[in-house]
Amino acid sequence: SQKIEQNSEALNIQEGKTATLTCNYTNYSPAYLQWYRQDPGRGPVFLLLIRENEKEKRKERLKVTFDTTLKQSLFHITASQPADSATYLCALDLGSSASKIIFGSGTRLSIRP
Amino acid sequence: EPEVTQTPSHQVTQMGQEVILRCVPISNHLYFYWYRQILGQKVEFLVSFYNNEISEKSEIFDDQFSVERPDGSNFTLKIRSTKLEDSAMYFCASSEDRDDEKLFFGSGTQLSVL
Repeated sequence: SQKIEQNSEALNIQEGKTATLTCNYTNYSPAYLQWYRQDPGRGPVFLLLIRENEKEKRKERLKVTFDTTLKQSLFHITASQPADSATYLCALDLGSSASKIIFGSGTRLSIRP
Repeated sequence: EPEVTQTPSHQVTQMGQEVILRCVPISNHLYFYWYRQILGQKVEFLVSFYNNEISEKSEIFDDQFSVERPDGSNFTLKIRSTKLEDSAMYFCASSEDRDDEKLFFGSGTQLSVL
């Protein structure tokens, strides 16, 4: 069956460093992959979408890569700040003819001052 | 900025009772979704809805669940006979189209079944 795995449950890094989060998937070839941010008690907030024909996408301090051979996406936050502390989710549309966007279990990122 | 609104923010109910969770998606969006998140666990897909019918549903979305778009603005999730394990945060989401499926989430309804 299809699986989405975010390898680190939690990641704790020093302010100013680059945070790198990993999302792996199996038994599927998605047309695109998304990353969301979720704060405690709130709904996920869309950050970036990367398509299968794109190797890399950037938005301000965020960068996403997508390797369809490795079936992996990396999510980077450069010059990390305590305000970046949150849970980050990757998501894939596993629907065949219709939309079925499934989330990974998330990585809880903590940036210490 | 347009947003998805959900009511109520908290709902407490007795086991076996029916609950209706309400959502107003963003007005020009065409795809609607319900997700749930049990405390400390992942965001789980329940159902997607397009063109006034269910597009996809998960194994969680059994006969006890139903969705409806009763008018041009509201999108509801009904649980007919709640169970203790239905206690969770329920999120509604909407997206503009299938090709660029950024999901916009509401702030959720915390359902507690006693």
